Amino acid sequence: DAGITQSPRHKVTETGTPVTLRCHQTENHRYMYWYRQDPGHGLRLIHYSYGVKDTDKGEVSDGYSVSRSKTEDFLLTLESATSSQTSVYFCAISASSGRAGELFFGEGSRLTVL
Amino acid sequence: GQQVMQIPQYQHVQEGEDFTTYCNSSTTLSNIQWYKQRPGGHPVFLIQLVKSGEVKKQKRLTFQFGEAKKNSSLHITATQTTDVGTYFCAANGGSQGNLIFGKGTKLSVKP
Repeated sequence: DAGITQSPRHKVTETGTPVTLRCHQTENHRYMYWYRQDPGHGLRLIHYSYGVKDTDKGEVSDGYSVSRSKTEDFLLTLESATSSQTSVYFCAISASSGRAGELFFGEGSRLTVL
Repeated sequence: GQQVMQIPQYQHVQEGEDFTTYCNSSTTLSNIQWYKQRPGGHPVFLIQLVKSGEVKKQKRLTFQFGEAKKNSSLHITATQTTDVGTYFCAANGGSQGNLIFGKGTKLSVKP
């Protein structure tokens, strides 16, 4: 595996509470991504990072923020969780120096918002 | 933005039968990638195709990239229960050039 870990792996929270998911890599790769996966929608990009403190929005970024203060860590924050954010969240890193390379995915974080 | 359409959404086969999933785009793709996700697991990279008309094989899996680079297919010969999972295609698209995933084809194999 590519040395990528996500935490927590499972979380149940209530509507309106803040949630932070962590992605940690040991590979020193530049590009990191957060995707969400929902039935019928496949994998959709939330945010991505192309370096420390360099982040940008993906196709479904509303309600999410990210931070990358170190190369190895990429955090995804839901400031005020809603039921529509119940999903499985995957972090990924790009194996190449650019964004077009193959992705290695973490094990996923299953979030349930009640 | 760019989309990749993947069909079928589901496929149920008897073990030993062949399986094919298709990925189509309205625009020319620079490359296409294929991933497999086992039930309860995470997507795992299978292969990347770059050249027009490219065909690559991995044991019982055959990947093709169309001549116009607008479509691709994954064919599995003589499916086995270990092939169960969801197969995704993905292509670089959008103004940012990030990977855009198809919605996947979920394969079930009856022993």
